[in-house]
Amino acid sequence: GEDVEQSLFLSVREGDSSVINCTYTDSSSTYLYWYKQEPGAGLQLLTYIFSNMDMKQDQRLTVLLNKKDKHLSLRIADTQTGDSAIYFCAENEMTTDSWGKLQFGAGTQVVVTP
Amino acid sequence: NAGVMQNPRHLVRRRGQEARLRCSPMKGHSHVYWYRQLPEEGLKFMVYLQKENIIDESGMPKERFSAEFPKEGPSILRIQQVVRGDSAAYFCASSPPNSRLAGFSEQYFGPGTRLTVT
Repeated sequence: GEDVEQSLFLSVREGDSSVINCTYTDSSSTYLYWYKQEPGAGLQLLTYIFSNMDMKQDQRLTVLLNKKDKHLSLRIADTQTGDSAIYFCAENEMTTDSWGKLQFGAGTQVVVTP
Repeated sequence: NAGVMQNPRHLVRRRGQEARLRCSPMKGHSHVYWYRQLPEEGLKFMVYLQKENIIDESGMPKERFSAEFPKEGPSILRIQQVVRGDSAAYFCASSPPNSRLAGFSEQYFGPGTRLTVT
C-alpha cells in the first residue's frame, strides 16, 4: 500500500478554513512537506515542518504534526478561490546514501466554492 | 532567475517509438530528480542524478528507461519503445549543491512533460 495517504477530495466555501489530512508510515522521516499543484503546472513547495516540531505557522497556513500517530495536517485559513488546487503531502525517506527521497501521497483535490 | 524548465510540455508518441524528455535545472543547481505521475496518483520517484552521475535509480523501470545528466546541457529522460502504460506526466525537479545536508530535500519542480502514447 501507499506509504503516504491522503483523502482525495475536499470542498470548502470561500472564507472558511480548509483542513487537509495526511498519514505517513516512515518514523525516521526528518522533514514533512506540503506541495500545491495548480492545473497544468508543476509542484510548488508551500511549507514544510521538521519532525521535532508540533506546529508551524506561515501566514494563512498552519501545519500540525502528531509524530506519535504519524499524522500531518495543513490548515488554510480564509480559503480563497485561488487556493483551489491539488495538495500533496510528502515525507523524506532517508536512503542508505543519506539523501532525502521524497515519498508523495496521491494528493487532495481542494475545490473552493463562492 | 528562471525556474526549472522542461520541454516539450506535451509529447505524443505512437507505440514502439522513442520519447526524449528534457530538463534544464535552475541556475546553480547540480542535482536533478525525475518523477512520474500517473492519472489520479501522486508523484513516484524514478531517478536522482548529479552531473555525469546517477546517484539513485531505484524507481526507474529496469528496461526501456534511461536517464542522463551530462556535464553540459540538460538532463534527458529517454523511454524506448513506448507503450500505452508509459502515458503520464513526467516531472523534473532540481536542488542546489548542499541541499542534502541534514536530510532536508529542497526540490524545485518544473511544469512537467505530459506524454501520451497512442
